[in-house]
Amino acid sequence: GNSVTQMEGPVTLSEEAFLTINCTYTATGYPSLFWYVQYPGEGLQLLLKATKADDKGSNKGFEATYRKETTSFHLEKGSVQVSDSAVYFCALNTEFSKTSGSRLTFGEGTQLTVNP
Amino acid sequence: DSGVTQTPKHLITATGQRVTLRCSPRSGDLSVYWYQQSLDQGLQFLIQYYNGEERAKGNILERFSAQQFPDLHSELNLSSLELGDSALYFCASSARRGTANTGELFFGEGSRLTVL
Repeated sequence: GNSVTQMEGPVTLSEEAFLTINCTYTATGYPSLFWYVQYPGEGLQLLLKATKADDKGSNKGFEATYRKETTSFHLEKGSVQVSDSAVYFCALNTEFSKTSGSRLTFGEGTQLTVNP
Repeated sequence: DSGVTQTPKHLITATGQRVTLRCSPRSGDLSVYWYQQSLDQGLQFLIQYYNGEERAKGNILERFSAQQFPDLHSELNLSSLELGDSALYFCASSARRGTANTGELFFGEGSRLTVL
């Protein structure tokens, strides 16, 4: 079945440090890949996505490249800020229907804390 | 603001009781998804409804049930509650009528259930 594995957290960084959160997946077919972010007390929000191999998703300084050969979708940011402190989830879908949509399979989540 | 509304935000109840969680999807969205987020199991997909009909089922216990009404809002019913049911329950929506879907899910802020 489909699964997503994220690097274990929590991750603690100083402001302006470089961030990498690893994500690898197992899936049949050709999944779309997503990173969601959950700020304290809030629901999940889409951060970025990629729908096919070699696509790069980017948003708010975060980037992730869909690597089919390594089945990975690592999240990176060159210089983190205190406001980036949140839980980050990698996710995929493979049973996508253009009419009804489909569920996402999520990784375990990685807690990021950025200190000033 | 994702446009997905969940009530109640917090709920405290006793073992053996029954509760109902409510979700209003984003305007125009036809699909509703329920997820359970617990500390030890991450985000688990429970069930998806599309335009009133069950579309996909995940790790939903027999003590739990859901439905989607003609006005597209959804309810998740949890019965014979156990301590282990304490979790954050998220509703998400997608599949806006008349638009091409991109795979993104829009999440509410969740209902936090505490079973004592």
